[in-house]
Amino acid sequence: KAGVTQTPRYLIKTRGQQVTLSCSPISGHRSVSWYQQTPGQGLQFLFEYFSETQRNKGNFPGRFSGRQFSNSRSEMNVSTLELGDSALYLCASSLKGDRGEKLFFGSGTQLSVL
Amino acid sequence: GDSVTQMEGPVTLSEEAFLTINCTYTATGYPSLFWYVQYPGEGLQLLLKATKADDKGSNKGFEATYRKETTSFHLEKGSVQVSDSAVYFCARTLSGGYNKLIFGAGTRLAVHP
Repeated sequence: KAGVTQTPRYLIKTRGQQVTLSCSPISGHRSVSWYQQTPGQGLQFLFEYFSETQRNKGNFPGRFSGRQFSNSRSEMNVSTLELGDSALYLCASSLKGDRGEKLFFGSGTQLSVL
Repeated sequence: GDSVTQMEGPVTLSEEAFLTINCTYTATGYPSLFWYVQYPGEGLQLLLKATKADDKGSNKGFEATYRKETTSFHLEKGSVQVSDSAVYFCARTLSGGYNKLIFGAGTRLAVHP
């Protein structure tokens, strides 16, 4: 069974640009969450989608957005990039997104903003 | 608000030594508690979990017990191996539902032969 797949693995952008990251969950998983990982702030929750609906949102500015498609694949978008957006972005999927359910993480997309 | 605090690293041990990584959480609601592990260049993997007080999670020789009275979920292993070298994250679910997790800062473990 394939794991969670994130593309691309690495990205280099400049300030002011926008970026789209992609996540393909494990087959059959309907919940997809996104986390930002930085050395200074650690792991922070961005948002969670279930059946194409955003159910949870973290404390990030509106420049961070996401969506989920009918096949459960998810994308997140960051507009008007800032230097502080440089981070490892992790996607995680689970069957239903119920509390306590195991999350399966992808290897992440490493975003560098210059 | 909800938070998780874990001991700062790095923790450096010799092979076969005993490991403890402390983790405490804010006592709001009835959270599920987790330990995730991250190996270099990879995403996080669930190591173990506990969903209610006095539950003990265990996996690959690692154990942690959900202690409501001390709001703790300390990770232990009796004999570490070099292959256990990684970053360990303690996490809890957010009060209010669904599976949003709050993570601790992570503890880097280095095990030497």
